Amino acid sequence: GAVVSQHPSWVICKSGTSVKIECRSLDFQATTMFWYRQFPKQSLMLMATSNEGSKATYEQGVEKDKFLINHASLTLSTLTVTSAHPEDSSFYICSARRAGVSYEQYFGPGTRLTVT
Amino acid sequence: AQTVTQSQPEMSVQEAETVTLSCTYDTSESDYYLFWYKQPPSRQMILVIRQEAYKQQNATENRFSVNFQKAAKSFSLKISDSQLGDAAMYFCAYRSFRLNTDKLIFGTGTRLQVFP
Repeated sequence: GAVVSQHPSWVICKSGTSVKIECRSLDFQATTMFWYRQFPKQSLMLMATSNEGSKATYEQGVEKDKFLINHASLTLSTLTVTSAHPEDSSFYICSARRAGVSYEQYFGPGTRLTVT
Repeated sequence: AQTVTQSQPEMSVQEAETVTLSCTYDTSESDYYLFWYKQPPSRQMILVIRQEAYKQQNATENRFSVNFQKAAKSFSLKISDSQLGDAAMYFCAYRSFRLNTDKLIFGTGTRLQVFP
């Protein structure tokens, strides 16, 4: 149990285009989902926290107009990178917190974004 | 603000031997969670072990155990009987106990190599 999927697993897009990444909790309801960014050989940096049905809370320094997060249901959150640029190339990881379980986050397998 | 420090960028161990990964953290809170996550080459984050700060007893999960020193703000991970499959990046993480704070704060990671 507690499986989180991400789609796509990797994506290449051209500079200036937008790309959407989906994060789904497959076998549980997730009241809260998190989006992280990980550069090569570095740690995970939290970008934003999304709660179902409400606006996402972005970490300091993260452009909310560039990284649009939607958490429309208890099993789905999406991250849209708008007007992507090469510096947005990174590994994006989502995690989900199961409703009623306060301490554990279940991680998705990540999405590698390359902007050319 | 809380911080997590992993001072060992890389460690190596021989198969069947024991290795200890270090982690220190800084916080003014008295209640919190500490975690060790494993990130293998697949990039999938896997929870290794969890420790609640209010518990004096060190957490153990099979071959994995922690040495939690609350006063010293130290949280090391010991891997016994190391296996080739233990080779991965290991991240130490902190989470506040407060209900309205979900986010994980990660250390910079330690790359563990296991030699046959």
